[in-house]
Amino acid sequence: NAGVMQNPRHLVRRRGQEARLRCSPMKGHSHVYWYRQLPEEGLKFMVYLQKENIIDESGMPKERFSAEFPKEGPSILRIQQVVRGDSAAYFCASSRPDRASGANVLTFGAGSRLTVL
Amino acid sequence: TQLLEQSPQFLSIQEGENLTVYCNSSSVFSSLQWYRQEPGEGPVLLVTVVTGGEVKKLKRLTFQFGDARKDSSLHITAAQPGDTGLYLCAGARGSTLGRLYFGRGTQLTVWP
Repeated sequence: NAGVMQNPRHLVRRRGQEARLRCSPMKGHSHVYWYRQLPEEGLKFMVYLQKENIIDESGMPKERFSAEFPKEGPSILRIQQVVRGDSAAYFCASSRPDRASGANVLTFGAGSRLTVL
Repeated sequence: TQLLEQSPQFLSIQEGENLTVYCNSSSVFSSLQWYRQEPGEGPVLLVTVVTGGEVKKLKRLTFQFGDARKDSSLHITAAQPGDTGLYLCAGARGSTLGRLYFGRGTQLTVWP
């Protein structure tokens, strides 16, 4: 399966610790997006990256959250000094333009579920 | 504030029934996508619609994009237990390249 790979699938952290979530996009995709999903809420956009560039980080909290997509290796979403409210499912997606419609088609990973104790 | 409102939030029906899920907004979208999400998994794309008034069919699923590109519907004919899942609509706006705005989703349960 050459889909979007996320790890870890589950992560438990205590308040104040750091969480690092990794995402490898589909082969041939150079755009990566991070979304957060809270119970009974839709997916909320966090950040859009291309290799070595942050294109749009308007959905990411200004404090404690950062994201990168280096030239080599996976994209990483980093949450410092986690709090209970950070508990959520974090989804990564990569994209390619749809040949038929030209629309941006996202392929999602299975998500990383962060629990903050 | 939610840019896309989905209704109903929950839908529980018997196998064989028909259903429609709605996705509404006051904003115009350049394209709209429907996803289905299973528990513990990421959303999987079902369809993309880009033209106002466009209708797309995927077996028993029919998707429609409103003429003004502000709303969409998903109709399922003769629902089956395998259709159970969370259905999400997501819209793209030309001014925010790549970013999708998601509705909260409709949780569909089809009972045998």
